[in-house]
Amino acid sequence: DVKVTQSSRYLVKRTGEKVFLECVQDMDHENMFWYRQDPGLGLRLIYFSYDVKMKEKGDIPEGYSVSREKKERFSLILESASTNQTSMYLCASPKRVELAGPSDTQYFGPGTRLTVL
Amino acid sequence: GNSVTQMEGPVTLSEEAFLTINCTYTATGYPSLFWYVQYPGEGLQLLLKATKADDKGSNKGFEATYRKETTSFHLEKGSVQVSDSAVYFCALSDPNRDDKIIFGKGTRLHILP
Repeated sequence: DVKVTQSSRYLVKRTGEKVFLECVQDMDHENMFWYRQDPGLGLRLIYFSYDVKMKEKGDIPEGYSVSREKKERFSLILESASTNQTSMYLCASPKRVELAGPSDTQYFGPGTRLTVL
Repeated sequence: GNSVTQMEGPVTLSEEAFLTINCTYTATGYPSLFWYVQYPGEGLQLLLKATKADDKGSNKGFEATYRKETTSFHLEKGSVQVSDSAVYFCALSDPNRDDKIIFGKGTRLHILP
């Protein structure tokens, strides 16, 4: 079975702290995504990566950075956490049925609920 | 740009009622369409999908038909259960970047026993 795991389910940090959110997938997929989920706003894409050491900005990258040193691991970094980054963070990795086919299922991790005080 | 609009919640129904959650989309090209579900305390999981016009996705008694003429992908279930209480997200794939999926804002569904 496909598996996407995230390092923490719940995290509490203080304003100004550097925060690392880790995501690991065991599917040998090239692509990985970070979203944040907020009530009334749905899921918004922060960053994504199509390969090791490659990254692209999503819709709301401000205040975040990412790291992809190994294929299975995609880290989201909050350089200096702020209260408006309190949110649920979801990591995802898509499954592609055909190499050149259309989009397929995104498999999600369980999420990390981050609170910044 | 591409977008998904779904009905705002919360939606509250009694058990065994008929469910419809509306979803419309805007996209260039021919996207794939999805419904994801998030049960309380869990991550998102795919409920059903359709990859081309007139396809019907179905799973766990839920159905949705890809309607290109009305740019819609409404979710339906004939008889809901308490266990269907969750948040439902309509989504589409970005035709210009296959793995990038654009989500609606989600609809919270409460089913009363």
